[in-house]
Amino acid sequence: QVQLQESGPGLVRPSETLSLTCAVSGYSINDGYYWGWIRQPPGKGLEWIGAIHYSGATYYNPYLRSRVTILVDTSKNQISLKLTSVTAADTAVYYCARSRGYCSDGSCYSGYFDFWGQGTLITVSS
Amino acid sequence: DIQMTQSPSTLSASVGDRVTITCRASQSISSWLAWYQQKPGKAPKLLIYEASKLERGVPSRFSGSGSGTEFTLTISSLQPDDFATYYCQQFDSYSLFGQGTKVEI
Repeated sequence: QVQLQESGPGLVRPSETLSLTCAVSGYSINDGYYWGWIRQPPGKGLEWIGAIHYSGATYYNPYLRSRVTILVDTSKNQISLKLTSVTAADTAVYYCARSRGYCSDGSCYSGYFDFWGQGTLITVSS
Repeated sequence: DIQMTQSPSTLSASVGDRVTITCRASQSISSWLAWYQQKPGKAPKLLIYEASKLERGVPSRFSGSGSGTEFTLTISSLQPDDFATYYCQQFDSYSLFGQGTKVEI
């Protein structure tokens, strides 16, 4: 069974960089699939942040692209998320998830999420 | 940019009811749509992918239909465990979730 576990600081100061990791167990990232990040502000809906293929190809939400970096570390079987210049609007539960991507007409997309972590709450506050 | 409009935002129903939730895309996304169920304090759970394919282990009372710009999630006979919030997600280009539909008693 695929399991994902997010870890992070809990509290981040405004203007600083949020860093999260997602440890994957029960499946080797090297064996395929895409791996993504989704967030959910308290009491609100889901927002797709981005995804990465095990090859390193990345896909980002265009509204967050300038502040987001997603990396994969196959040696540790984990992915990471960095979000720079955070504000209170970045306060949310952050989820990592496995994604079933696909390719169509010569382009590939990260797809939909079949296994999710439990999420970690990140609060941006001074 | 593709916009997703999910309706209704809230739905009141009773056990045994047939429930339908709609998701509309601002442009065609073929069948690149998924549906999720989320309960309070929990991660979303995949129900339907590629508009109409039932995820393994999901009860058959859940079904999805549609293609192009209009999609529906139907629960044929609402069960007590189905009271939750439901989200659609388009993944035709970059991904985007709908606003969510809370199904309440």
